[in-house]
Amino acid sequence: AQTVTQSQPEMSVQEAETVTLSCTYDTSESDYYLFWYKQPPSRQMILVIRQEAYKQQNATENRFSVNFQKAAKSFSLKISDSQLGDAAMYFCAYRSAYGNEKLTFGTGTRLTIIP
Amino acid sequence: DTGVSQDPRHKITKRGQNVTFRCDPISEHNRLYWYRQTLGQGPEFLTYFQNEAQLEKSRLLSDRFSAERPKGSFSTLEIQRTEQGDSAMYLCASSLGPGVEETQYFGPGTRLLVL
Repeated sequence: AQTVTQSQPEMSVQEAETVTLSCTYDTSESDYYLFWYKQPPSRQMILVIRQEAYKQQNATENRFSVNFQKAAKSFSLKISDSQLGDAAMYFCAYRSAYGNEKLTFGTGTRLTIIP
Repeated sequence: DTGVSQDPRHKITKRGQNVTFRCDPISEHNRLYWYRQTLGQGPEFLTYFQNEAQLEKSRLLSDRFSAERPKGSFSTLEIQRTEQGDSAMYLCASSLGPGVEETQYFGPGTRLLVL
């Protein structure tokens, strides 16, 4: 079974600075998808960024980018120019490419933005 | 596109009572998922539907839990004889699927408290 580990329960960053959230995963599969989801307080979960394992190029979405290291099974999220609206729980998630559609989530990292 | 909606948003019940939650997916989304999220944890997969067919159930889904998706539109999740351990946030997600780049869109969740 696949597992996802987020070793940083809480992180904080000054507004306008850059922060990196860590995620590692364990799988024996060669093809899969990785996601970062954001869950603001009392609000619904939204997708931040997605990475396909077969792509070597790291995904980017505006101020959000990932560092995908397949051999190391590492998938970190970098947030540049942090904004107050970035404050949320961030979850790393794994999905197999082999028909099992469920998402397997990590335990999350609570990100605080310091004004 | 109105997004995924869930009803009710909050439910307080006494141990031993039955509860039912509803999820309305994004229109034309074929796949619908149920997850459970307890405090301080990431969401855990419960079950998912492709149209009206329930394709997979987690071992977390005990015999007291049942889910349906009649006519492949909205879905209901029923918990019979609730226990205090059932207290959690129940999340619904939908996706256009099948497809290798499907994204799961989440609803706001139903927070259940069993007294």
